Amino acid sequence: DTEVTQTPKHLVMGMTNKKSLKCEQHMGHRAMYWYKQKAKKPPELMFVYSYEKLSINESVPSRFSPECPNSSLLNLHLHALQPEDSALYLCASSQEQGSSYGYTFGSGTRLTVV
Amino acid sequence: AQSVTQLGSHVSVSEGALVLLRCNYSSSVPPYLFWYVQYPNQGLQLLLKYTSAATLVKGINGFEAEFKKSETSFHLTKPSAHMSDAAEYFCAVTPYNQGGKLIFGQGTELSVKP
Repeated sequence: DTEVTQTPKHLVMGMTNKKSLKCEQHMGHRAMYWYKQKAKKPPELMFVYSYEKLSINESVPSRFSPECPNSSLLNLHLHALQPEDSALYLCASSQEQGSSYGYTFGSGTRLTVV
Repeated sequence: AQSVTQLGSHVSVSEGALVLLRCNYSSSVPPYLFWYVQYPNQGLQLLLKYTSAATLVKGINGFEAEFKKSETSFHLTKPSAHMSDAAEYFCAVTPYNQGGKLIFGQGTELSVKP
């Protein structure tokens, strides 16, 4: 298995809702990442987990809450989002944090906040 | 801070013509360098990577890139464009001293005319 699987592919949520994005990989990678991508822009790093511990938080608002329950799974919990949070959320993994092998990306969750 | 500059936000070529997408990095120490491709409504796919082994790197789908330290460049080329190459291309760098972050350039949209 050489894939990163993200669910759901599309999500529409209201500003008062609570939802979660899920990311899974079975490549034995020990680093996992959340990126946010707005239209026509490059992905921007949000969080990095290394060996299931939060390693980097790029000053992301607390309405985004990451969780790494085990080495294969990464969640992003969403609460009280704003319309400007609408974007493509990409999960990625790599063998180690800062690996020279590059990252494997999932196909993303397209989030719309209404 | 380490950065990546992609010259040209949009490049248009004819089918069968040479593809050249430009990328320059800013660092006195060569970092790990990557090219990713993103098709519409999809995640990012790794095309190729430079990790200080060979300066000419061959990737998937007929793409290659040459690392030139003297020019701090890592341009992406393909001898003959195909319609299926139309996509967004991102150059990215993993600096040695930034905790393994993958930092992207602004992206270049490649259009291929029949």
